[in-house]
Amino acid sequence: EAGVTQSPTHLIKTRGQQATLRCSPISGHTSVYWYQQALGLGLQFLLWYDEGEERNRGNFPPRFSGRQFPNYSSELNVNALELEDSALYLCASSFYPPTPADTQYFGPGTRLTVL
Amino acid sequence: AQSVSQHNHHVILSEAASLELGCNYSYGGTVNLFWYVQYPGQHLQLLLKYFSGDPLVKGIKGFEAEFIKSKFSFNLRKPSVQWSDTAEYFCAVMGSGNTGKLIFGQGTTLQVKP
Repeated sequence: EAGVTQSPTHLIKTRGQQATLRCSPISGHTSVYWYQQALGLGLQFLLWYDEGEERNRGNFPPRFSGRQFPNYSSELNVNALELEDSALYLCASSFYPPTPADTQYFGPGTRLTVL
Repeated sequence: AQSVSQHNHHVILSEAASLELGCNYSYGGTVNLFWYVQYPGQHLQLLLKYFSGDPLVKGIKGFEAEFIKSKFSFNLRKPSVQWSDTAEYFCAVMGSGNTGKLIFGQGTTLQVKP
């Protein structure tokens, strides 16, 4: 069974540009989560989508946004890129609702570098 | 606010040594606790989790963790480490309620010398 997939693997942008990151969940999972892993800041929760709706949002500015498509895949968009947005962006998926017994399964991540 | 603290940032052990990685959380309500591992070049994967019942949880590859509610701790243990256990280890907590949000500690890098 395929795991969570993310594309692209690496993305290089300049300040002020927009970045789009993509995620495909494990088959059967409807919830998709986004996390940022920045150097020195650890893993931080960004967004949670299920059934096309944003269910929860972490402490990030509105220029971080996303959406979920009918096939449950998801996009993360980061507008007006800043240098500190350079990080590894991880996507995870799970069944819904994410009961304590359910696990979030993580993808390999997209490394975003902002120059 | 909920938070997770991992005491050791970098641990170096020889093969066959015993391992204990500390994890403390701050949250007043019911919690669900996780240990994830990230091997070099691989993605984050679940080692073990606690959500109810026996506070001693056994996971994959011989790892176990003990939930001590009075100490707000969920320490990870392995009696005898192998070189292949070299990885970064993350403790995480999810509070009660349907938030979907995992709160991670800063991670501990374990280096096992052959």
